[in-house]
Amino acid sequence: SQQGEEDPQALSIQEGENATMNCSYKTSINNLQWYRQNSGRGLVHLILIRSNEREKHSGRLRVTLDTSKKSSSLLITASRAADTASYFCAWGAGSYQLTFGKGTKLSVIP
Amino acid sequence: DTGVSQNPRHKITKRGQNVTFRCDPISEHNRLYWYRQTLGQGPEFLTYFQNEAQLEKSRLLSDRFSAERPKGSFSTLEIQRTEQGDSAMYLCASSLGDRTSTDTQYFGPGTRLTVL
Repeated sequence: SQQGEEDPQALSIQEGENATMNCSYKTSINNLQWYRQNSGRGLVHLILIRSNEREKHSGRLRVTLDTSKKSSSLLITASRAADTASYFCAWGAGSYQLTFGKGTKLSVIP
Repeated sequence: DTGVSQNPRHKITKRGQNVTFRCDPISEHNRLYWYRQTLGQGPEFLTYFQNEAQLEKSRLLSDRFSAERPKGSFSTLEIQRTEQGDSAMYLCASSLGDRTSTDTQYFGPGTRLTVL
């Protein structure tokens, strides 16, 4: 079973606005990853942040990690309609499998 | 395209039938994973291979499920005596395996199974 939560479950914003999604987990981790999934399709890897890192950037994406609070956030700046998708956090904790959150469904309205 | 590929993309079967899915990982990746995803949920881990060795299996992987990765290349996932609860998207992923911890996993498009 999944061992964490993401919030919000759904988020609707206007194009150009920023979107923030949060992820919480319950175990010690070695890294945390964020993935995007368009409706009914495979997952696309966005960014990986290691447990000894606090913040990471990739283009319009900014990820933070707070291991003391067991939480991470994904910020998408200047959102576009093409960013409409479900976003999942996933973490590795001592083995090679990933444990996924339930995801945030983002809708960007043109 | 050198990404992870999965076949078939869709499979509709009747309850009680056996089904087999295939995954071709990225060629230089030595780790291969299977996950299952139901509607509105995140993927759940099923099993993992390091080259041809199956090293981890989830409790979700009942005895009706079997996975193989002969020669450490492609992998197959077979479900015997399918049940309606097996209806889900089956996702395959692969990773380079150059670290002793979880590394970036690259996912295929998935096989959507519908059991009638």
